[in-house]
Amino acid sequence: AQSVSQHNHHVILSEAASLELGCNYSYGGTVNLFWYVQYPGQHLQLLLKYFSGDPLVKGIKGFEAEFIKSKFSFNLRKPSVQWSDTAEYFCAVKGIYGGSQGNLIFGKGTKLSVKP
Amino acid sequence: EAEVAQSPRYKITEKSQAVAFWCDPISGHATLYWYRQILGQGPELLVQFQDESVVDDSQLPKDRFSAERLKGVDSTLKIQPAELGDSAMYLCASSYLTGTLGANVLTFGAGSRLTVL
Repeated sequence: AQSVSQHNHHVILSEAASLELGCNYSYGGTVNLFWYVQYPGQHLQLLLKYFSGDPLVKGIKGFEAEFIKSKFSFNLRKPSVQWSDTAEYFCAVKGIYGGSQGNLIFGKGTKLSVKP
Repeated sequence: EAEVAQSPRYKITEKSQAVAFWCDPISGHATLYWYRQILGQGPELLVQFQDESVVDDSQLPKDRFSAERLKGVDSTLKIQPAELGDSAMYLCASSYLTGTLGANVLTFGAGSRLTVL
C-alpha cells in the first residue's frame, strides 16, 4: 500500500530563515504530488502540485517543491519564511495506475511555527 | 471563490448517540469525498462518491458509519452509535469527474469537528 512520510513533526523557525520540509512516498509508479497547507482555524488549501514536466514546481506565497523521482521525494521549500507562514503542512500523493487514479494519501503533517 | 460547505462546524455528543454531518460540494464537481482527520494525523479517506454512486468505501466502518449522496449533489455522513474514538475532524472535499485532469485537485471544506464524551 502507498504511504507518505513527513520527517518533521514540528519545525520552529525565526522570520527570514529558510525552510525545507521533507516528504517521501512509497509508490514506484507514476504519481501526482501535492502540498496542502492548513492555517490556524482555516481549511486545507492547495499550496502546489506536480503532475508531470518540470520537477521544480512553484506554488502560492513563494513556496516551491522539487520532485526527485529517484529518491521518491517531494520536499517543500521557501527561501525566507514569514510569521504568516505559521501553519500545518501536509504532503499528499495520488498513484496513477494505468488509466485510473488511486486515492489521495496524506502524510501526518508538519507543524511550522515562525517566531516574529 | 467557490467553496465546499459543511455543517455543523462543531458537534459535541455523548457516546451511543447518533450524529450527522452535511456537505455541499462545489457546483459541477461530480466527485465527493469524506475524510477523517484525527488530531495530529493527516486526513484519511472514509468514502468517495462519483455522482450518487459509492466508488470506494473500503475504509468506512460500516457497522456504525453510513454515507449517502442521493441526488448526486450534497451528501450526509452519519455515525450511529458514536464512540469515544470517533472524536475527530470530518472533512468533505470535492473534485471534477474522475479521469479528468481536474479530478486530481481536491477542494476541501472547513470541516466538522466532532467531540464524543
